[in-house]
Amino acid sequence: DGGITQSPKYLFRKEGQNVTLSCEQNLNHDAMYWYRQDPGQGLRLIYYSQIVNDFQKGDIAEGYSVSREKKESFPLTVTSAQKNPTAFYLCASTVGSNSPLHFGNGTRLTVT
Amino acid sequence: QKEVEQDPGPLSVPEGAIVSLNCTYSNSAFQYFMWYRQYSRKGPELLMYTYSSGNKEDGRFTAQVDKSSKYISLFIRDSQPSDSATYLCASYNTDKLIFGTGTRLQVFP
Repeated sequence: DGGITQSPKYLFRKEGQNVTLSCEQNLNHDAMYWYRQDPGQGLRLIYYSQIVNDFQKGDIAEGYSVSREKKESFPLTVTSAQKNPTAFYLCASTVGSNSPLHFGNGTRLTVT
Repeated sequence: QKEVEQDPGPLSVPEGAIVSLNCTYSNSAFQYFMWYRQYSRKGPELLMYTYSSGNKEDGRFTAQVDKSSKYISLFIRDSQPSDSATYLCASYNTDKLIFGTGTRLQVFP
């Protein structure tokens, strides 16, 4: 079945550590996105990539980094510079501009 | 002002009721509108996708866009307890999909 796989589902880290969230898709989509979801704030865009080896900052990119070395993969690193990293992180992909996004089931990151 | 605004609710209705969920948006250039449903601890799933103004129907769901007032709506007929979820509206701003904060809906038997 085609889809987006995010792993792990739950992730726990100590403050000051970098952590990488995995996102893999087998939909052959060109564009991939990372959102963060906090209670009462909806989905906020962190980074997005419309093509391999290229990506753009979203609205809340500070403290995060990404890479897009393969079409299928768009990992997100939450660095120690991110002030409030505890959140639900969602990865999505789409065939192109103005098309609906398809989402994975998210990774819940807890940093203590 | 947020680009897409949505009443967070919660909205609680009895089974069988007609539900109306609403969003407003600020940019008159927005053309593509989506409604997503999100169950707890899951990713959002696409319900409706519309372009420009007008209505679109899919089973018990109807999406409506009024570009003159920058207002988008989702109607759910014959609501079921399984419809209990958070509903998110969204619109594209160039190549970025912007979401409302989501409305939490509870349908009780």
